[in-house]
Amino acid sequence: IAGITQAPTSQILAAGRRMTLRCTQDMRHNAMYWYRQDLGLGLRLIHYSNTAGTTGKGEVPDGYSVSRANTDDFPLTLASAVPSQTSVYFCASSDSASGYTGELFFGEGSRLTVL
Amino acid sequence: GQNIDQPTEMTATEGAIVQINCTYQTSGFNGLFWYQQHAGEAPTFLSYNVLDGLEEKGRFSSFLSRSKGYSYLLLKELQMKDSASYLCAVTSGDYKLSFGAGTTVTVRA
Repeated sequence: IAGITQAPTSQILAAGRRMTLRCTQDMRHNAMYWYRQDLGLGLRLIHYSNTAGTTGKGEVPDGYSVSRANTDDFPLTLASAVPSQTSVYFCASSDSASGYTGELFFGEGSRLTVL
Repeated sequence: GQNIDQPTEMTATEGAIVQINCTYQTSGFNGLFWYQQHAGEAPTFLSYNVLDGLEEKGRFSSFLSRSKGYSYLLLKELQMKDSASYLCAVTSGDYKLSFGAGTTVTVRA
């Protein structure tokens, strides 16, 4: 089934540890995104990528890094996790172009708990 | 930046109509999306408005007024399965989508 796959689904992590959330899409969408969702705050954009080889910062990028080596993969790395990074993380992709942002397709989410 | 406001919660009876309002103040506007999100699940696309007016899709309709920075999502003939969060999102056409905090709709029998 075409779509977006995220891994892991759920993870408990000790503070200070490094963690990479994986995201793969098979729709050949050029744009990919990472959002975090917290109660009462909605979805907030962490980082995005317009196309392979380029990335950009969103609303809440601090403490996170991304890479886009190819069209399909967009991993999100927490270099040294802190408890405030406890959240549900959603990866998304869209078929977008300059001046047009298409519908976002979301993965099922990764629930991360940092203790 | 983007400032997107929508009510936190709404409750309605099965079979009724509910209107979820969304107001926005953005640096540039290129379209407005509505998404539905059931508890514990990913958001799914409902509608997209780029021009003023009403877009109807079955029991769901979405309205946009660009001059007023205002949109609403209308849910008709409510069903229990419509209990979910509804997210308003705005794009400036810069590849990014900014979301409101979401409106949780509870449908009661």
